Amino acid sequence: DIQMTQSPSSLSASVGDRVTITCQASQDISNYLNWYQQKPGKAPKLLIYDASNLETGVPSRFSGSGSGTDFTFTISSLQPEDIATYYCQQYDNLPPALTFGGGTKVEIK
Amino acid sequence: QVQLVESGGGVVQPGGSLRLSCAASGFTFSSYGMHWVRQAPGKGLEWVAFIRYDGSNKYYADSVKGRFTISRDNSKNTLYLQMNSLRAEDTAVYYCAKDFLAARLHAFDIWGQGTMVTVSS
Repeated sequence: DIQMTQSPSSLSASVGDRVTITCQASQDISNYLNWYQQKPGKAPKLLIYDASNLETGVPSRFSGSGSGTDFTFTISSLQPEDIATYYCQQYDNLPPALTFGGGTKVEIK
Repeated sequence: QVQLVESGGGVVQPGGSLRLSCAASGFTFSSYGMHWVRQAPGKGLEWVAFIRYDGSNKYYADSVKGRFTISRDNSKNTLYLQMNSLRAEDTAVYYCAKDFLAARLHAFDIWGQGTMVTVSS
């Protein structure tokens, strides 16, 4: 099974800061990597798919990059409404399986 | 608008059964793969199961294989999760989610609001 290691598990940053989260796969997953935002008490929301594609309607301050085993999620300028937990998620179809990273809780300093 | 609404959660004793439902609206339900994803209290997300757009293939996480069954009724725009032999570790909010694709696992682009399942004596 593919394991996803996400770091850090939490971070505190100021409004306007650049925030970076990383996700490492236990084996090569090409670009089969998505990123989600989950606010407290709410369902997750898709932000980035296939490592670097911005989902429709998502602000451009969110971005993703990487391929193979190492991936990065970036908020270019942290806003108060970005307070949430962020998850990476890999997918595979041979055999079919989906795995989430452990999550990164983002707070305002 | 595009919407998924789960129902059927509740409190059940260990070893018991429960069936969750997810009513879809605002998109062509029969054209997309569908998933169940769960989240234990205070924990991260865990994928549970996937069903192809036509119901012909189903895939499960190892943690629920042999106990849970995913199904769908495209005539009713409804997704189901039959949960048997429930354990305390199955306690979680269960979300249904739509996939980008019809027949392969990819990404969850639409989520329901979730339904809570508590397994306790």
